[in-house]
Order: sequence, then structure tokens, then C-alpha cells
Amino acid sequence: DVKVTQSSRYLVKRTGEKVFLECVQDMDHENMFWYRQDPGLGLRLIYFSYDVKMKEKGDIPEGYSVSREKKERFSLILESASTNQTSMYLCASSLAGEWTTNEKLFFGSGTQLSVL
Amino acid sequence: AQSVSQHNHHVILSEAASLELGCNYSYGGTVNLFWYVQYPGQHLQLLLKYFSGDPLVKGIKGFEAEFIKSKFSFNLRKPSVQWSDTAEYFCALLTGGFKTIFGAGTRLFVKA
Repeated sequence: DVKVTQSSRYLVKRTGEKVFLECVQDMDHENMFWYRQDPGLGLRLIYFSYDVKMKEKGDIPEGYSVSREKKERFSLILESASTNQTSMYLCASSLAGEWTTNEKLFFGSGTQLSVL
Repeated sequence: AQSVSQHNHHVILSEAASLELGCNYSYGGTVNLFWYVQYPGQHLQLLLKYFSGDPLVKGIKGFEAEFIKSKFSFNLRKPSVQWSDTAEYFCALLTGGFKTIFGAGTRLFVKA
């Protein structure tokens, strides 16, 4: 089974801190994604990456950046955390480098971030 | 614009009741649709998907969904729910460029 591992299940940070959320997948997937999940809003895409060192903005990239130096690792960075970034953050990966019927997302267990 | 709408935010059913969760999408390209489920305390996982062919797709645990192109819909159904189906259900649309867009989710609570 594919495993997507997020480094922390719960994090508490202060306003203004720089925050790193780490995600590692063990199945050589090309695509990796960061979503935030908020009640009533579903999952919203922050950033995604389809290759090492490649990144694309999602729907809500403001206040975030990402890093993908190695294929298996995709980091989400909050440059200066704010209270409105309190949320559940989900990392996901997918196999296909091209659009195929095998496309589906494999999710990590999430990181609940609280910014005080 | 690309979007996914789920009609119900919360659904409460008794065991053995039939389930239908609504999902509508807006997208101008080739349609690939999914239902994901998140059981309490667990990861999001794929329930079923539609890429092409038979518009009635069957997934795990007795769920099925029907793609109706004329209605831009992909509703999820189950004839008889169980207490263990209590979860949050997300409809999703895969767009070009590997991007998956999710609906707001529907929380299903099944009373034993």
C-alpha cells in the first residue's frame, strides 16, 4: 500500500512564526499536493508539484510556499503564520505523470495546525 | 469556471435507509469524477471513480454513482446504509494539469 506520511499530527504555533509541514510518500509518485480542509469548505488546493523542483499554485496559495527538492518529499511553508491559517492540512500524492485511468489521490493522515 | 457543488452539508439517516448524496460540477473539459470518503479518525480514501464508459460506476462497500452528463451530476447512492457508513463524503473533479477540485463535503450520520 502507498504510504503518505505527514510529520506531525498536531502543531501549535504562534502568530508570525515560520512553520514547516513535511510530507513524504514511499511509492515514487510524481505528483504531490497540499490541501487545507475547513468545515463547510471541503478541501482547497494550496500548491501542487508534478516533478522535483516544479511547483504550481493552487486555488489559495497566498501566505504559503512549497519546496520539492526530492521526489518523495513535499514541504509546505507558512512564511509568517496567521490565525486564519489555523486548519487541517492534508498532503496527497498520485501516481500518474500523465492523465490515465489510474489517477487517484492517496492522502496522508493530516496535520491539525493551530495558530495562536 | 471549474467547480464542484454538494447539495447537502449534513444528512442523518437510520440504518437500512437508502442514501443519495447530490453532486454537480462545472467544467468544460473531459470529465473525470470521484467520490472520496473520510471515516472518523481515518485518511481520506477513494470510494469510486468515473473516467469513461458505463455511467453507472460501482465502488467499495456497496456504493455506486451515476454520471449524468446532461445534468452535470454525479450522485452517490447506496440502497441500505449501515452505522459504519457514518463519515464525510467528498465529490471531486479531476481537471487538466493533475488538479483535483473538491466539493464542500457531506457529513453522513447513520443512527443505529
